[in-house]
Amino acid sequence: EAQVTQNPRYLITVTGKKLTVTCSQNMNHEYMSWYRQDPGLGLRQIYYSMNVEVTDKGDVPEGYKVSRKEKRNFPLILESPSPNQTSLYFCATSRAGTGGRQSGEQYFGPGTRLTVT
Amino acid sequence: DQQVKQNSPSLSVQEGRISILNCDYTNSMFDYFLWYKKYPAEGPTFLISISSIKDKNEDGRFTVFLNKSAKHLSLHIVPSQPGDSAVYFCAASYYTGNQFYFGTGTSLTVIP
Repeated sequence: EAQVTQNPRYLITVTGKKLTVTCSQNMNHEYMSWYRQDPGLGLRQIYYSMNVEVTDKGDVPEGYKVSRKEKRNFPLILESPSPNQTSLYFCATSRAGTGGRQSGEQYFGPGTRLTVT
Repeated sequence: DQQVKQNSPSLSVQEGRISILNCDYTNSMFDYFLWYKKYPAEGPTFLISISSIKDKNEDGRFTVFLNKSAKHLSLHIVPSQPGDSAVYFCAASYYTGNQFYFGTGTSLTVIP
């Protein structure tokens, strides 16, 4: 079964305590992205990766790091979380489309609800 | 600044009738548009897309219309079913195709 898994699904932490949210996919997709969803702001892209060792900033990358050492995994790292990073986070994957761009048909994970106090 | 806007936070429709969800965008460089559906406690799922070279794309009960001059797209669902009740997001990307900009979502309720 095609799957995008995220762990943990829920996390409550304190300001400044480093954390990692993992994302894994079994579809052999080249592209992976991280989004955050906030009320009144919709989904905003944090980082994306076009393949192993190739990552780039999305719309709201400040305060986040990513790495893509393996094709199937794309962890999101918050080195020093702050309360404004309290949000619902989604990982998404997609295959390569035509013309050197990714397919718009992204497969999303179930989400990770993060609270930073 | 929000480049993709969904100005209606919610919409209620009777079962069997047409649902029309609207989306506006500001960046004229956008050339690819998508709609996603999201149920509570799940991630969004892809619904339908349209390239800027087209003005209409159909997939079963779902049709997306694109009006480039007005920078407006809409999603029509006919006939609407209770299972269509969800939050719908429109999204857009431009030539690199690697960054996606989402709207704030419209919550659709289909009343049986």
